[in-house]
Amino acid sequence: GNSVTQMEGPVTLSEEAFLTINCTYTATGYPSLFWYVQYPGEGLQLLLKATKADDKGSNKGFEATYRKETTSFHLEKGSVQVSDSAVYFCALSQDSNYQLIWGAGTKLIIKP
Amino acid sequence: KAGVTQTPRYLIKTRGQQVTLSCSPISGHRSVSWYQQTPGQGLQFLFEYFSETQRNKGNFPGRFSGRQFSNSRSEMNVSTLELGDSALYLCASSHPTGYSMRNEQFFGPGTRLTVL
Repeated sequence: GNSVTQMEGPVTLSEEAFLTINCTYTATGYPSLFWYVQYPGEGLQLLLKATKADDKGSNKGFEATYRKETTSFHLEKGSVQVSDSAVYFCALSQDSNYQLIWGAGTKLIIKP
Repeated sequence: KAGVTQTPRYLIKTRGQQVTLSCSPISGHRSVSWYQQTPGQGLQFLFEYFSETQRNKGNFPGRFSGRQFSNSRSEMNVSTLELGDSALYLCASSHPTGYSMRNEQFFGPGTRLTVL
């Protein structure tokens, strides 16, 4: 079946460090891929998405590229801020399946 | 536009009771999905409704049920509550294009259910 695997957390970085959170998936065909973020005390919100191979999603300085050949959708940011501290979820969906399949989530802690 | 609203925000129940959670989607959104979030199992899909029809259901026992009304509002019900049902229940709405699930899902703040 379909599944998403993302790196275990927590990930602790200093402010202005480079961030990578790995995400790989298993799915047939061509799923759409998403990164959602959950800030402390808030609901889930979409960070970025990509709907076909080689697409790059970007938002708020975060980027992720849909790599079909490696079945990956790694999240990156060049310089993190304390305000980026949150839990990040990688997810996939497929047409006619009507659901998001989630990774376990990665807690990111940014220290000043 | 108002966001996705969920009521109540917090619930405390005892084992064996039943509970009904409510979700009002963003105006114009016809797809509503429900997810369960727990520290141990993470985020798991419960069901998705579109125009009052359940199009998919996750791997949960029959104690979990839902429905959608003609105004797109949705409810989910859990009967015979167990301790393991304690979780954050999240509702999300979207405006799908046909059969596509490529569009963003907008999440409500969730209902925190505690079963004692």
